[in-house]
Amino acid sequence: EVQLVQSGAEVKKPGESLKISCKGSGYSFTSYWIGWVRQMPGKGLEWMGIIYPGDSDTRYSPSFQGQVTISADKSISTAYLQWSSLKASDTAMYYCARPSALDDAFDIWGQGTMVTVSS
Amino acid sequence: QSALTQPPSVSGSPGQSVTISCTGTSSDVGSYNRVSWYQQPPGTAPKLMIYEVSNRPSGVPDRFSGSKSGNTASLTISGLQAEDEADYYCSLYTSSSTSYVFGTGTKVTVL
Repeated sequence: EVQLVQSGAEVKKPGESLKISCKGSGYSFTSYWIGWVRQMPGKGLEWMGIIYPGDSDTRYSPSFQGQVTISADKSISTAYLQWSSLKASDTAMYYCARPSALDDAFDIWGQGTMVTVSS
Repeated sequence: QSALTQPPSVSGSPGQSVTISCTGTSSDVGSYNRVSWYQQPPGTAPKLMIYEVSNRPSGVPDRFSGSKSGNTASLTISGLQAEDEADYYCSLYTSSSTSYVFGTGTKVTVL
């Protein structure tokens, strides 16, 4: 079964760093892009960026460029989203999602990781 | 790239049809056919319902259909059922920049 499994919920303080993960299984991890999507409480979906684990080619939405870092470790089939200094406004649910190689739609989604940033 | 514009909400009675619009510009929706639609019931991850404007993945009921005209894509739910109550989002993939943009989202209420 093709699936993406994300790391668990996090509660952090402003200024702290954080790295959340998304582990792919059931397919060739290096052959598909993996994207990250933010959903703030009660709000819509926002595309953050995407990485191709095969060669680490990474693209960011202009809204998130410089705010987060997307990376991947193909040896353990895991993609990451990290922050160096969290803000309260980073409080959100974060989803990883895999686009289909044929049509680029996100056909596989992780279960989401809730990040809460509060003093 | 700005979010694609969707109506905040639409509603219908069981058995009726509802249509959700997704409006962009001639530079995005008007130029690319990688439009997809996602269903998100409360507290769950999004689920792909339509890809490439009008194609349904395996397992998606044929009550769901997609289309595009000019700068606007649309999702139609025919024969509305209670289980269709959810938030729906359109999305566009732009190959020239390997980037995505989502719509603002529409809440579908079954009366």
